[in-house]
Amino acid sequence: DIQMTQSPSSLSASVGDRVTITCRASQSISTYLNWYHHKPGKVPKLLIYAASSLQSGVPSRFVGSGSGTEFSLTITSVQPEDFATYYCQQTYSTWTFGQGTKVEIK
Amino acid sequence: QITLKESGPTLVKPTQTLTLTCTFSGFSLSTTGVGVAWIRQPPGKALEWLALIFWDDDKRYSPSLNSRLTITKDTSKNQVVLTMTDMDPVDTGTYFCARKFGSGSREVFDVWGQGTMVTVSS
Repeated sequence: DIQMTQSPSSLSASVGDRVTITCRASQSISTYLNWYHHKPGKVPKLLIYAASSLQSGVPSRFVGSGSGTEFSLTITSVQPEDFATYYCQQTYSTWTFGQGTKVEIK
Repeated sequence: QITLKESGPTLVKPTQTLTLTCTFSGFSLSTTGVGVAWIRQPPGKALEWLALIFWDDDKRYSPSLNSRLTITKDTSKNQVVLTMTDMDPVDTGTYFCARKFGSGSREVFDVWGQGTMVTVSS
């Protein structure tokens, strides 16, 4: 199995802050990495695919980068609707999600 | 418009078998590259991929749950069924189905159902 480890597990931010979440794979996965966000009671939403490609309709403040085993998701200016839990997902060998990073309001 | 909807029991007893149905519209499970996945989320915990069935009837299961899971499809009814045997209270959570689309590094779970809450309790 490929394990995905996210850090931090949670963070507090103010509207307008720059936020970065990191995801590490237990083995190289090239750019087979997606990012989703999930709000309680809502449906998970795809933000970034192939490590750095922005899903259609997703604001450009979401920026993905990385390859191999180290990846990051940056929100360049956090907006009120961005407070949620973020998950990375590898698709290199079956599918695995990270444990999630909860972004809370400071 | 692509939609998926999960259905099944909200309460099952320990040791029973859970059967969930994902009914979808707006796409065909006969189209090359398409699949339907099941994902669950225990209360307060992370998303966990369970199983996926491809357009060609190929199937993949989570290694940790492989012995308990079966996924099937009925293309004519636009349905995918997941069965999970020997249910335990730790299996309590929200169960989602999602469409898998794309290939290679562009493979994504792009559309999700609303999820269905399953509680395992005697």
